[in-house]
Amino acid sequence: EPEVTQTPSHQVTQMGQEVILRCVPISNHLYFYWYRQILGQKVEFLVSFYNNEISEKSEIFDDQFSVERPDGSNFTLKIRSTKLEDSAMYFCASSSLAGGYEQYFGPGTRLTVT
Amino acid sequence: AQTVTQSQPEMSVQEAETVTLSCTYDTSENNYYLFWYKQPPSRQMILVIRQEAYKQQNATENRFSVNFQKAAKSFSLKISDSQLGDTAMYFCAFMKLYSGAGSYQLTFGKGTKLSVIP
Repeated sequence: EPEVTQTPSHQVTQMGQEVILRCVPISNHLYFYWYRQILGQKVEFLVSFYNNEISEKSEIFDDQFSVERPDGSNFTLKIRSTKLEDSAMYFCASSSLAGGYEQYFGPGTRLTVT
Repeated sequence: AQTVTQSQPEMSVQEAETVTLSCTYDTSENNYYLFWYKQPPSRQMILVIRQEAYKQQNATENRFSVNFQKAAKSFSLKISDSQLGDTAMYFCAFMKLYSGAGSYQLTFGKGTKLSVIP
């Protein structure tokens, strides 16, 4: 069964450093998303991406964040200058209209900023 | 903006028994979907069940079923014959259906931690 994959599973970085989180969505999906979950809290929407551009973003997704689909398979989230409060689980998800809008989530990347 | 409320932070159920998790939501939209996601200790988000707002019939998936009350904006999840593997965090989620905007973001509740007791 097709699945969304994410790498790395765990990333430790120092405050101020740049990180890139990688995702490979399901191959025939057209809509891509990033969510984050701070430990013990609910899952929050960051950004959606469709047709090679951001279609919507939340207040959390400020100038330090960016997304890219550099080729036909990868979908990346870059955090330019990490802060302690960026420590969270980051989930990538993808969906297709043909699939009934259901979003399939990857296993997540745990980001720890020290 | 939409809000999703799960009023039960934690629940427990005996193995083989039935449990119902509550969810209410607030929206002015008429076209939307509702979902229940399961997050086991591995923290992977797994889709449990989906309900289209335009459908009056409640969705069912094997041991999982929902009670969707559109007028009351209520969307509860019933788990029958609970199994140890059902132990997880359960999130209720709302999706507004845009037309052509290219985004179908999910708004999640805070979750209910369900423990199935042997």
